[in-house]
Amino acid sequence: QKEVEQDPGPLSVPEGAIVSLNCTYSNSAFQYFMWYRQYSRKGPELLMYTYSSGNKEDGRFTAQVDKSSKYISLFIRDSQPSDSATYLCAMTLQGAQKLVFGQGTRLTINP
Amino acid sequence: GAGVSQSPSNKVTEKGKDVELRCDPISGHTALYWYRQSLGQGLEFLIYFQGNSAPDKSGLPSDRFSAERTGGSVSTLTIQRTQQEDSAVYLCASSRPTGELFFGEGSRLTVL
Repeated sequence: QKEVEQDPGPLSVPEGAIVSLNCTYSNSAFQYFMWYRQYSRKGPELLMYTYSSGNKEDGRFTAQVDKSSKYISLFIRDSQPSDSATYLCAMTLQGAQKLVFGQGTRLTINP
Repeated sequence: GAGVSQSPSNKVTEKGKDVELRCDPISGHTALYWYRQSLGQGLEFLIYFQGNSAPDKSGLPSDRFSAERTGGSVSTLTIQRTQQEDSAVYLCASSRPTGELFFGEGSRLTVL
């Protein structure tokens, strides 16, 4: 079993829809949770960064962490074609920097 | 430059040959990471350098893989006697000691 599980998709939704992306993990020691966005043939870029449990909102993006369920989510509101990319969850232990990544979910927003 | 720079961007090699991939991190970033991304897969950790500390090599898949970081800046990932399963995108990232990782665009390696 992988430390971090993420449905690879692909996921295709119409423009304007709310998108929900999720990851589960097995290591309860993870404290820092991130979502990266990766466009085709580009490196990943940090989208959201959350410490421990709770919600964080940034514009159209909301990240949620539920440590009791070992489950994290990323919501995208009013999705745009420019949001089409692969979204990777990542997490790390407190005080450590080695990120453990999910497989990534390939998302397409259709105009 | 403003970002993490990797070279070459594309490399095609024959099975059994050695390859070197280079990473030039963001100036002032003391931490440097190498990850591997196979087709349709997430990022697989390879190695991590932090300042003058001994590198964390726990992710290197075999002794054919090695990496060094000279002068606390540029890093080179070397793969000896390449195999077809080594074909992947090799991503480098750098960061401050506790901060966001900034990734380069990767070196795409194809082993024929």
